Amino acid sequence: GAVVSQHPSRVICKSGTSVKIECRSLDFQATTMFWYRQFPKQSLMLMATSNEGSKATYEQGVEKDKFLINHASLTLSTLTVTSAHPEDSSFYICSASMTGPVATEAFFGQGTRLTVV
Amino acid sequence: GNSVTQMEGPVTLSEEAFLTINCTYTATGYPSLFWYVQYPGEGLQLLLKATKADDKGSNKGFEATYRKETTSFHLEKGSVQVSDSAVYFCALSDPAGGSYIPTFGRGTSLIVHP
Repeated sequence: GAVVSQHPSRVICKSGTSVKIECRSLDFQATTMFWYRQFPKQSLMLMATSNEGSKATYEQGVEKDKFLINHASLTLSTLTVTSAHPEDSSFYICSASMTGPVATEAFFGQGTRLTVV
Repeated sequence: GNSVTQMEGPVTLSEEAFLTINCTYTATGYPSLFWYVQYPGEGLQLLLKATKADDKGSNKGFEATYRKETTSFHLEKGSVQVSDSAVYFCALSDPAGGSYIPTFGRGTSLIVHP
């Protein structure tokens, strides 16, 4: 199946700094990628939909100035957590789907464990 | 709008027991249905899928049948192993409904004891 690579898998940063997470589709072009946040023992919370060449669409309650998303090419989307605080500590997961007339599964990255100290 | 409802966990079983995790959905169109598995500290992996009514998805001993009449996609396995311990997510994708954004259930944690 298609592969989505997410980097880094773990990152620890100091409060007030920014962290960038990369999501790459390795063997297919993803016009749309999704960013999720997962709290411990909870489901995935969709944060935003990342569209290549245009602005991301953020879900209600997600601060777009804090979670900057850039979809620079058909194979790369980045999520930057700006001025991180301990409450931003979480597991962040990206995914991509191959769109078309028949729905296909979403392919997920490995996830990034962010810890803000 | 689309939604997915899963049974709440955790589900705790002994090794070799039979597993059922219930999943029902609502959708505006004719969705494709999926089960994903998440092992501790990892991202989600596709376990199985079904794209139309009466399709049966199967993988690694797990099965689920797309039941349009009951809008269900229950996950089953005849004999679980300790290595099956993980969180299982039911999901749907409904492009005919206007969105490719997958809709996920809350996830069901499975714990298998030796």
